[in-house]
Amino acid sequence: DTGVSQDPRHKITKRGQNVTFRCDPISEHNRLYWYRQTLGQGPEFLTYFQNEAQLEKSRLLSDRFSAERPKGSFSTLEIQRTEQGDSAMYLCASSLSSAYNEQFFGPGTRLTVL
Amino acid sequence: DAKTTQPPSMDCAEGRAANLPCNHSTISGNEYVYWYRQIHSQGPQYIIHGLKNNETNEMASLIITEDRKSSTLILPHATLRDTAVYYCIVRFTQRDDKIIFGKGTRLHILP
Repeated sequence: DTGVSQDPRHKITKRGQNVTFRCDPISEHNRLYWYRQTLGQGPEFLTYFQNEAQLEKSRLLSDRFSAERPKGSFSTLEIQRTEQGDSAMYLCASSLSSAYNEQFFGPGTRLTVL
Repeated sequence: DAKTTQPPSMDCAEGRAANLPCNHSTISGNEYVYWYRQIHSQGPQYIIHGLKNNETNEMASLIITEDRKSSTLILPHATLRDTAVYYCIVRFTQRDDKIIFGKGTRLHILP
């Protein structure tokens, strides 16, 4: 059982650069979620996919953020023109579209924007 | 906004039962109570969920009051590895796919 994996685990970038993160969900899970977590806060929902369809986006997801899940398997989250306020842990989770929707989280990608 | 209220932090001696309270006074009839925890530098981990009845699994027990306005997560024999932030979440899973986390309770297990 390989769980949810995320790559990279850490990313340091300069303000204005673009970054892309990858999430590989548990293989049979058709739902995939992205959350963002800043220091001392609980995770905040960003967006989620059912298979390849992006079904909901939070208003936190500005125009500089884009997420894809092209084949309904792995997903990428891209941030363009990064700002210091984007520094956070970016968490991915996956689940089955079952009645209880238990979400399994990956270890996260910690982004630091200098 | 999160629909739950939790104390910001708690201490518990190693080997004792840790009882983490949660208030959810506005919970509706179809909403479940979920608990997740987050160990430092890791993603959140599902612990347990329930609707009305008390639930128990290999990790913990969940006690929900009869009026469902509050609940308690019980870790029966806390170990140092249980040091984490514990999140109590109310969800209507057949509609709300996202999880809305509050700030949780930071549980310190003391040796």
